[in-house]
Amino acid sequence: DTAVSQTPKYLVTQMGNDKSIKCEQNLGHDTMYWYKQDSKKFLKIMFSYNNKELIINETVPNRFSPKSPDKAHLNLHINSLELGDSAVYFCASSSRQGNNSPLHFGNGTRLTVT
Amino acid sequence: DAKTTQPNSMESNEEEPVHLPCNHSTISGTDYIHWYRQLPSQGPEYVIHGLTSNVNNRMASLAIAEDRKSSTLILHRATLRDAAVYYCILNTGTASKLTFGTGTRLQVTL
Repeated sequence: DTAVSQTPKYLVTQMGNDKSIKCEQNLGHDTMYWYKQDSKKFLKIMFSYNNKELIINETVPNRFSPKSPDKAHLNLHINSLELGDSAVYFCASSSRQGNNSPLHFGNGTRLTVT
Repeated sequence: DAKTTQPNSMESNEEEPVHLPCNHSTISGTDYIHWYRQLPSQGPEYVIHGLTSNVNNRMASLAIAEDRKSSTLILHRATLRDAAVYYCILNTGTASKLTFGTGTRLQVTL
């Protein structure tokens, strides 16, 4: 059983398109995250939700809109895709918010914008 | 955000212990020290974390200096599957916000 699963694994699309990435966790966790890993391999947090409520928004462009329909899901919708959005996007979850709670990551979605 | 400093790369022979150092001289009293690793084409994997006392789990041990300004991740017997980038991260605040640095790339050879 995959704990944190993301779909799709690969996403190739053209500039200007709108796309979504889905994430589901079956760990019963309260908190979920989106991270972005760029071409230089730096991992940066984008968003965090706790019990479906947004708690972290790291100055991400408005074209990125996370949605959490329930505690087990956190989807990422991206409007008007740009070349610079090409990266690997990782979803993660933790049992609760707070710095004593380990994160469990999915295996990523590699987004390529052409 | 409090920062950590790690060597860019380390090498180890298989079945030997590996000690991965991390300096975090600006750590505050409530910061937890987390270690994650990332294998090629995979998401980061949680390894271990601690606050003040040394910690052990099935994957590794974490030795934390008494002044908490440094820590060491110990892999007791390295295997080829342990080859990865290891990240030492200070998890601060009430929200779990991990700030990843460049990490240490561990190479394990036969």
